[in-house]
Amino acid sequence: KNQVEQSPQSLIILEGKNCTLQCNYTVSPFSNLRWYKQDTGRGPVSLTIMTFSENTKSNGRYTATLDADTKQSSLHITASQLSDSASYICVVSALSGYALNFGKGTSLLVTP
Amino acid sequence: NAGVTQTPKFQVLKTGQSMTLQCAQDMNHNSMYWYRQDPGMGLRLIYYSASEGTTDKGEVPNGYNVSRLNKREFSLRLESAAPSQTSVYFCASSGQGASQPQHFGDGTRLSIL
Repeated sequence: KNQVEQSPQSLIILEGKNCTLQCNYTVSPFSNLRWYKQDTGRGPVSLTIMTFSENTKSNGRYTATLDADTKQSSLHITASQLSDSASYICVVSALSGYALNFGKGTSLLVTP
Repeated sequence: NAGVTQTPKFQVLKTGQSMTLQCAQDMNHNSMYWYRQDPGMGLRLIYYSASEGTTDKGEVPNGYNVSRLNKREFSLRLESAAPSQTSVYFCASSGQGASQPQHFGDGTRLSIL
Protein backbone atom coordinates (compact mmCIF):
# COMPACT_ATOMS: atom_id res chain seq x y z
CA LYS A 1 0.00 0.00 0.00
CA ASN A 2 1.31 3.45 -0.94
CA GLN A 3 2.05 5.44 2.20
CA VAL A 4 3.45 8.82 3.11
CA GLU A 5 4.69 9.39 6.66
CA GLN A 6 5.63 12.81 8.01
CA SER A 7 7.57 13.79 11.10
CA PRO A 8 7.36 15.43 13.48
CA GLN A 9 3.61 15.62 13.91
CA SER A 10 3.96 19.11 15.35
CA LEU A 11 6.76 21.57 15.98
CA ILE A 12 7.16 24.87 17.83
CA ILE A 13 10.08 27.17 17.00
CA LEU A 14 11.10 30.73 17.75
CA GLU A 15 10.81 33.37 15.07
CA GLY A 16 14.03 33.67 13.11
CA LYS A 17 15.11 30.06 13.69
CA ASN A 18 15.46 27.39 11.01
CA CYS A 19 13.65 24.06 10.97
CA THR A 20 13.47 20.88 8.92
CA LEU A 21 10.43 18.71 8.30
CA GLN A 22 10.71 15.09 7.20
CA CYS A 23 8.75 12.91 4.79
CA ASN A 24 9.22 9.18 4.12
CA TYR A 25 7.24 7.38 1.48
CA THR A 26 6.66 3.92 0.05
CA VAL A 27 4.88 5.04 -3.13
CA SER A 28 6.02 3.08 -6.16
CA PRO A 29 6.66 3.57 -8.99
CA PHE A 30 7.55 7.15 -8.07
CA SER A 31 6.55 10.09 -10.25
CA ASN A 32 6.97 13.25 -8.19
CA LEU A 33 6.93 14.63 -4.67
CA ARG A 34 5.21 17.84 -3.64
CA TRP A 35 5.21 20.01 -0.55
CA TYR A 36 2.13 22.07 0.24
CA LYS A 37 1.52 24.73 2.88
CA GLN A 38 -1.93 24.89 4.42
CA ASP A 39 -2.87 27.87 6.56
CA THR A 40 -5.67 27.38 9.09
CA GLY A 41 -9.04 27.61 7.38
CA ARG A 42 -7.53 27.72 3.88
CA GLY A 43 -6.80 25.27 1.11
CA PRO A 44 -3.30 23.86 0.53
CA VAL A 45 -0.91 25.93 -1.57
CA SER A 46 1.89 24.35 -3.60
CA LEU A 47 5.46 25.14 -2.47
CA THR A 48 7.59 22.79 -4.57
CA ILE A 49 7.29 19.82 -6.93
CA MET A 50 10.26 17.51 -7.53
CA THR A 51 10.61 14.70 -10.03
CA PHE A 52 12.91 11.68 -9.79
CA SER A 53 15.87 13.50 -11.32
CA GLU A 54 15.71 16.52 -9.00
CA ASN A 55 17.29 16.35 -5.55
CA THR A 56 16.72 19.91 -4.40
CA LYS A 57 14.34 22.75 -5.18
CA SER A 58 13.89 26.13 -3.52
CA ASN A 59 11.01 28.55 -3.23
CA GLY A 60 12.18 31.61 -1.33
CA ARG A 61 13.00 30.57 2.24
CA TYR A 62 11.70 27.05 1.59
CA THR A 63 14.12 24.39 0.30
CA ALA A 64 12.98 20.84 -0.41
CA THR A 65 15.34 17.91 -0.88
CA LEU A 66 14.63 14.49 -2.31
CA ASP A 67 16.52 11.21 -2.00
CA ALA A 68 14.69 8.84 -4.32
CA ASP A 69 16.97 5.94 -3.35
CA THR A 70 16.01 6.07 0.33
CA LYS A 71 12.52 7.44 -0.44
CA GLN A 72 12.96 10.42 1.84
CA SER A 73 12.34 14.12 1.47
CA SER A 74 12.83 17.09 3.72
CA LEU A 75 11.55 20.66 3.75
CA HIS A 76 13.90 23.20 5.27
CA ILE A 77 12.56 26.58 6.35
CA THR A 78 15.15 29.31 6.82
CA ALA A 79 14.79 32.33 9.11
CA SER A 80 11.24 31.46 10.08
CA GLN A 81 8.52 34.11 10.25
CA LEU A 82 5.25 34.19 12.14
CA SER A 83 3.45 33.72 8.81
CA ASP A 84 5.15 30.34 8.41
CA SER A 85 2.81 28.96 11.09
CA ALA A 86 0.77 26.40 9.14
CA SER A 87 0.46 22.72 8.33
CA TYR A 88 3.01 21.41 5.81
CA ILE A 89 1.85 18.48 3.75
CA CYS A 90 4.02 16.05 1.79
CA VAL A 91 2.32 14.55 -1.26
CA VAL A 92 3.70 11.77 -3.46
CA SER A 93 2.44 10.84 -6.90
CA ALA A 94 2.84 7.43 -8.48
CA LEU A 95 3.54 6.94 -12.18
CA SER A 96 0.34 4.99 -12.65
CA GLY A 97 -2.94 6.88 -12.46
CA TYR A 98 -3.76 10.34 -11.25
CA ALA A 99 -4.15 9.82 -7.53
CA LEU A 100 -1.95 11.70 -5.09
CA ASN A 101 -0.88 10.17 -1.78
CA PHE A 102 -1.13 12.73 1.01
CA GLY A 103 0.73 12.71 4.30
CA LYS A 104 -1.07 13.81 7.45
CA GLY A 105 1.03 16.96 7.68
CA THR A 106 3.36 18.60 10.18
CA SER A 107 1.82 21.43 12.17
CA LEU A 108 4.36 24.24 12.62
CA LEU A 109 3.93 27.06 15.10
CA VAL A 110 6.36 29.97 14.98
CA THR A 111 6.31 32.04 18.16
CA PRO A 112 7.65 35.57 18.77
CA ASN B 1 -7.61 36.22 -10.42
CA ALA B 2 -9.95 34.11 -8.27
CA GLY B 3 -8.40 30.67 -8.92
CA VAL B 4 -10.70 27.98 -7.45
CA THR B 5 -13.92 29.18 -5.84
CA GLN B 6 -16.06 26.96 -3.61
CA THR B 7 -19.55 27.64 -2.32
CA PRO B 8 -20.86 27.57 0.30
CA LYS B 9 -18.06 28.06 2.84
CA PHE B 10 -20.07 26.56 5.72
CA GLN B 11 -23.17 24.36 5.87
CA VAL B 12 -25.07 22.43 8.52
CA LEU B 13 -27.37 19.63 7.40
CA LYS B 14 -29.61 17.13 9.09
CA THR B 15 -29.14 13.41 8.46
CA GLY B 16 -30.91 12.42 5.26
CA GLN B 17 -30.89 15.87 3.66
CA SER B 18 -29.32 16.40 0.26
CA MET B 19 -26.92 19.09 -0.82
CA THR B 20 -24.70 20.12 -3.73
CA LEU B 21 -21.29 21.67 -3.21
CA GLN B 22 -20.23 23.98 -6.01
CA CYS B 23 -16.74 24.51 -7.43
CA ALA B 24 -15.54 26.73 -10.26
CA GLN B 25 -12.06 27.49 -11.60
CA ASP B 26 -10.94 30.27 -13.92
CA MET B 27 -7.52 28.88 -14.91
CA ASN B 28 -8.72 26.93 -17.97
CA HIS B 29 -7.63 23.67 -16.34
CA ASN B 30 -8.79 20.34 -17.73
CA SER B 31 -8.51 18.34 -14.51
CA MET B 32 -10.62 18.89 -11.43
CA TYR B 33 -10.84 17.01 -8.12
CA TRP B 34 -12.92 16.68 -4.98
CA TYR B 35 -11.23 15.78 -1.68
CA ARG B 36 -12.29 15.47 1.91
CA GLN B 37 -10.07 16.32 4.87
CA ASP B 38 -10.73 14.80 8.27
CA PRO B 39 -8.84 15.39 11.54
CA GLY B 40 -5.72 13.23 11.82
CA MET B 41 -5.93 12.06 8.21
CA GLY B 42 -4.45 13.15 4.94
CA LEU B 43 -6.66 14.47 2.16
CA ARG B 44 -8.57 11.70 0.44
CA LEU B 45 -9.79 11.81 -3.14
CA ILE B 46 -13.53 11.43 -3.62
CA TYR B 47 -13.89 11.95 -7.38
CA TYR B 48 -11.77 13.14 -10.25
CA SER B 49 -12.55 14.62 -13.66
CA ALA B 50 -9.84 14.57 -16.33
CA SER B 51 -11.87 16.69 -18.73
CA GLU B 52 -15.36 17.95 -19.43
CA GLY B 53 -17.74 15.03 -19.63
CA THR B 54 -15.56 12.49 -17.79
CA THR B 55 -15.49 11.53 -14.12
CA ASP B 56 -13.75 8.76 -12.16
CA LYS B 57 -14.12 7.44 -8.64
CA GLY B 58 -11.36 8.11 -6.17
CA GLU B 59 -10.52 6.49 -2.86
CA VAL B 60 -13.78 7.30 -0.99
CA PRO B 61 -16.66 7.77 -3.51
CA ASN B 62 -19.49 6.06 -1.59
CA GLY B 63 -22.36 8.40 -0.75
CA TYR B 64 -21.33 11.02 -3.30
CA ASN B 65 -22.07 11.91 -6.91
CA VAL B 66 -20.39 14.46 -9.14
CA SER B 67 -21.16 16.45 -12.27
CA ARG B 68 -18.62 18.09 -14.56
CA LEU B 69 -21.03 20.73 -15.87
CA ASN B 70 -18.49 22.35 -18.20
CA LYS B 71 -14.76 23.01 -18.21
CA ARG B 72 -15.03 25.52 -15.36
CA GLU B 73 -17.44 23.83 -12.98
CA PHE B 74 -17.36 20.57 -11.01
CA SER B 75 -20.05 19.91 -8.41
CA LEU B 76 -20.27 17.35 -5.61
CA ARG B 77 -23.66 16.06 -4.44
CA LEU B 78 -24.61 14.31 -1.23
CA GLU B 79 -27.94 12.59 -1.92
CA SER B 80 -28.68 11.51 1.66
CA ALA B 81 -26.25 13.05 4.11
CA ALA B 82 -24.87 10.94 6.96
CA PRO B 83 -22.93 12.06 10.07
CA SER B 84 -19.85 10.22 8.70
CA GLN B 85 -19.78 12.78 5.89
CA THR B 86 -19.07 15.61 8.32
CA SER B 87 -15.80 16.94 6.97
CA VAL B 88 -14.04 19.76 5.16
CA TYR B 89 -14.39 19.39 1.41
CA PHE B 90 -11.81 20.77 -0.99
CA CYS B 91 -12.04 21.22 -4.71
CA ALA B 92 -8.86 21.45 -6.77
CA SER B 93 -7.85 21.86 -10.40
CA SER B 94 -4.67 21.30 -12.36
CA GLY B 95 -3.29 21.78 -15.84
CA GLN B 96 -2.01 19.13 -18.22
CA GLY B 97 1.02 17.09 -17.17
CA ALA B 98 1.84 14.81 -14.24
CA SER B 99 3.99 17.44 -12.52
CA GLN B 100 1.50 20.28 -12.62
CA PRO B 101 0.52 21.58 -9.18
CA GLN B 102 -3.03 21.25 -7.97
CA HIS B 103 -4.68 24.55 -7.06
CA PHE B 104 -7.10 24.26 -4.16
CA GLY B 105 -10.13 26.24 -3.11
CA ASP B 106 -10.56 27.29 0.52
CA GLY B 107 -12.98 24.48 1.32
CA THR B 108 -16.55 23.90 2.42
CA ARG B 109 -16.98 23.04 6.10
CA LEU B 110 -19.91 20.64 6.29
CA SER B 111 -21.51 19.41 9.51
CA ILE B 112 -24.21 16.75 9.47
CA LEU B 113 -26.29 16.34 12.61
